[in-house]
Parts: sequence; structure tokens; C-alpha cells
Amino acid sequence: GAVVSQHPSWVICKSGTSVKIECRSLDFQATTMFWYRQFPKQSLMLMATSNEGSKATYEQGVEKDKFLINHASLTLSTLTVTSAHPEDSSFYICSAPYRGQNTEAFFGQGTRLTVV
Amino acid sequence: AQSVTQPDIHITVSEGASLELRCNYSYGATPYLFWYVQSPGQGLQLLLKYFSGDTLVQGIKGFEAEFKRSQSSFNLRKPSVHWSDAAEYFCAVAAGTASKLTFGTGTRLQVTL
Repeated sequence: GAVVSQHPSWVICKSGTSVKIECRSLDFQATTMFWYRQFPKQSLMLMATSNEGSKATYEQGVEKDKFLINHASLTLSTLTVTSAHPEDSSFYICSAPYRGQNTEAFFGQGTRLTVV
Repeated sequence: AQSVTQPDIHITVSEGASLELRCNYSYGATPYLFWYVQSPGQGLQLLLKYFSGDTLVQGIKGFEAEFKRSQSSFNLRKPSVHWSDAAEYFCAVAAGTASKLTFGTGTRLQVTL
């Protein structure tokens, strides 16, 4: 099936620094990608919808200036956590819909971000 | 707005026993329903999905789910659980096949030997 690759798998950064997470669709093109966040032992919450060639759509309560999303190509979306703080520590996971015979959303492996 | 409720936070079953995980949804139109499994620190794997047609859906790893419109439910079942099924299970609803997903809070399955 289709593959979505997310990098890095885990990252530790200092407070105040920025971290970039990449989400790639390896064998298909994705005009839309979704970014979710999962706090420990909680569910996945949609943060934003990434749209190729245009601005991302953010869910209510998500700071667009803090979580910068860029979807510069049909196979790559990036999420940059700017000026990270310990409360941003979470599991971030992306997904991309594969529009084949049966459209299905494929998920990346996720990125564990720890801000110290 | 769409929502998903998974009433059971944690379930423990013995290996070989049957399993049913509950999922109730709220959505104004015909929902697209999914069940995902997540192992610790891992991404999500799709178990099965319902878009239309036969309300009993077969998935991978021996799982099945039944869509009941009258009860707004999409419960996941497995006749005989294996120790490797221990994981977190998420039910999700979407407006379309390529739409964003709304997840339930998840059910953690523990399997005892």
C-alpha cells in the first residue's frame, strides 16, 4: 500500500528553539495532509490541514504562528514548532489521503517531541 | 460537529477469549467510520473501515465491525484474541474518505495469558 514517512521519529530540544518535522508521501502525491497531536494516554486531535500551494487551515485553538505548516510540494509537508516549550512535548503524527481505487488515509510513524 | 465516544478506557481479556470494543458516533449525515490500532510509540494502522454497503465489515488480523445506524454504533469484534492484539484502539469518523478524522478517546486492550 501507500507509504507516508515522517521524520524524525523522536527529537529532544531545548526550550525556546524550533523543531521541524517532515511528512512525506513516498509513492503517491498528496495535495492535502493532516497534522495531529497526541498527548500521553490521550486521543489524537487534529491540529491543521496542510494544503499544497496554499495556506494551511488550523483548528480552533491551535496557534498558527507557533505551529508553522508548509506544503511546498505534492509529496512533502512540514510542521515547525517555533519557540518550543515543555508543554509542546507531545506525539505529532501526520496523515495523507491516498486517492486510489479506495481512498484511504495513511499515517506516518509519528514524531515524539520532548522539550526540556 | 462530529464526535466519537469510546466508553471503555481500558479492557482486559484473556488470550483466546472474544473481544468487543464499543464505539458510538455523532454525525449528521452518512458517516465514514474507521478503526485504527496503535502500538506503544508507534503510528496508526487501519484495521477496517465502513463507507457504505454491507454493514458487517471484515478487516485485517481477524477483526470485524458492525455498523448499526439505529444505534449510531460501530463496534469492533474479534472472536479469539491473541496476546499480540494488546494495543490502543481508536474509532474514528470522517465526512469523506479523504477528509480529516475525528477520533475517539481510545480503548487500551490488555491481554492476559
